[in-house]
Amino acid sequence: EPEVTQTPSHQVTQMGQEVILRCVPISNHLYFYWYRQILGQKVEFLVSFYNNEISEKSEIFDDQFSVERPDGSNFTLKIRSTKLEDSAMYFCASSVGRANSPLHFGNGTRLTVT
Amino acid sequence: GESVGLHLPTLSVQEGDNSIINCAYSNSASDYFIWYKQESGKGPQFIIDIRSNMDKRQGQRVTVLLNKTVKHLSLQIAATQPGDSAVYFCAENTLNTNAGKSTFGDGTTLTVKP
Repeated sequence: EPEVTQTPSHQVTQMGQEVILRCVPISNHLYFYWYRQILGQKVEFLVSFYNNEISEKSEIFDDQFSVERPDGSNFTLKIRSTKLEDSAMYFCASSVGRANSPLHFGNGTRLTVT
Repeated sequence: GESVGLHLPTLSVQEGDNSIINCAYSNSASDYFIWYKQESGKGPQFIIDIRSNMDKRQGQRVTVLLNKTVKHLSLQIAATQPGDSAVYFCAENTLNTNAGKSTFGDGTTLTVKP
């Protein structure tokens, strides 16, 4: 069964550094998402992406965040200058349709900012 | 505003018993609901979904019930097994968003005792 893959599984970085989290969505999916989950808390929406542009973003997704689909397979999340509070699990997801379609999640990247 | 929440943060059941996990939502515009299961160290995994024009949907060992009058959603797991131990999230979508994003509830931790 096709799956969403994310790399790296764990990223440790120093405050102020830039990080890029990578995702390969399921190949025939058209909608892509990033979510984050702070330890022990619920899964929070960051951004959705369709047709090479952001469809919607949350308040968390400020100017420090950006997303890109540089080629036909990868979908990346960049944090320009990481803060301690950015430490969380970051999940990439994709779906085949806009509505009435469940999300397929990767297993996440654990980001630790020191 | 929209919010999706769960009545109980933890649920402990005996192996073989049936489990019921509840969820309340407040957004009247919600029209598609999903249950996800998250095992430790993994991303959320789709279990079952239901559209707002239905009040019940059954899968393998799982049933989702939707009561739009009181904005309540439940997940029933029959003959609960140790492998069902996980955190369960309800999520909702609204068709009038551009992105088809899912808004997650807080999660219920299900523990199955042998």
